[in-house]
This record gives sequence, structure tokens and C-alpha cells, in this order.
Amino acid sequence: AQRVTQPEKLLSVFKGAPVELKCNYSYSGSPELFWYVQYSRQRLQLLLRHISRESIKGFTADLNKGETSFHLKKPFAQEEDSAMYYCALRWRNDYKLSFGAGTTVTVRA
Amino acid sequence: DVKVTQSSRYLVKRTGEKVFLECVQDMDHENMFWYRQDPGLGLRLIYFSYDVKMKEKGDIPEGYSVSREKKERFSLILESASTNQTSMYLCASSFTLGGGPGYTFGSGTRLTVV
Repeated sequence: AQRVTQPEKLLSVFKGAPVELKCNYSYSGSPELFWYVQYSRQRLQLLLRHISRESIKGFTADLNKGETSFHLKKPFAQEEDSAMYYCALRWRNDYKLSFGAGTTVTVRA
Repeated sequence: DVKVTQSSRYLVKRTGEKVFLECVQDMDHENMFWYRQDPGLGLRLIYFSYDVKMKEKGDIPEGYSVSREKKERFSLILESASTNQTSMYLCASSFTLGGGPGYTFGSGTRLTVV
């Protein structure tokens, strides 16, 4: 079965510092990778997906097939980035997403 | 603007009760999903449906069932609620295979079983 691992439950950084959230997945085929974010009292929403190769709110994530990783990065964290972040995976031609355990990010002033 | 609506934000039920959680989407999505969200465990898939009257078990279906009589509505049923089913339940919907913008989530139902 596919697995998504987010090794850090909690991540605390200072405003303006770089932040990196790690995500590794078990290898079996060709996956689609996503990052979802949940801000306080808001619903879970898509942040970005690897296929788009885009930067959203200053965040980027690169799929590294050799290391089976999809780490999320932002060079300068902002207080509004404080949230719960989930890495998720979907195999091609599959309906469902598998989620990691989540990482809570706190950005301190 | 709300696209995936879960009927209750908070529910408190007694052990042994039959519990219905309702979810409605207005985006004409084929796929609908029920997850439970627990601290340290992330989101775990309970059931999903890729078409009306079709359903498939997810990773943790025990103690749950689902119903999808109409495309826009997907119900999660706890046949006999137990305290270990106390959790946040999230409904989501998506278009079918081949990518797209991912899931759209509801705001969640926090269920407490006492």
C-alpha cells in the first residue's frame, strides 16, 4: 500500500526564516503529489500540486523521484503561514488521495 | 460560494446510536469521499464513491457504511456509534480520473460519542 510520511509533527520558525516541510512516499509506480493546507477555523484546501510546477503564496515543492520526496519550501516564512500542512499522494488512474499525518507550522514574530 | 456542505458542524451522540452525517456538493463532481481526521494520524479514508449507488471501502471502513442515492449527496452512517468514533469527519469531492485541481473539502463535522 502506498504510504506518505511526514516526519515532523511540529515545526516552529521565526518570521522571515526559511521553512521546509518534509514529505516522503513509498515507491510503486507514478504518483501525483499534492500539498494541502488548513488554516485555523478554515477548511482544508489545496496549496499546490507537483504537476503544475507553480509557486503558491511563495511556496514551492519539487518532486524528487530518486529520493521519493516532495518537500515543501518557502524562503521567508510569514506569520500567516501558520497552519496545518498535509502531503498527499494519488497514483495515476486512481480516485483516492492518501494523506500523511500532517505537520503543524507555527511562525513566530 | 460554498461548494461542499456538511450538514452539521458539531454533533454529540450517545454510544449505540445510529448516526447520519450528510454531505452535499454543487459542482457536479463524480467522486465523493469521507475521511476522518485525527491528530497524529492525518486523514484516513473511510469510504468513497465514484458514481451514484457505487461505493468502495477505504482504509478504515469498519463500523461505517455509506449511501449515495443522488450524485450531489453522500451520506456516512455510523451503525452503532462507539466512543472510538469520536473524531472530525471530512467530506470531499472531485472530478474523475486524470488529475484536475484535486479535492474540494467540506468544513467538517466534529462528532463526539459519549
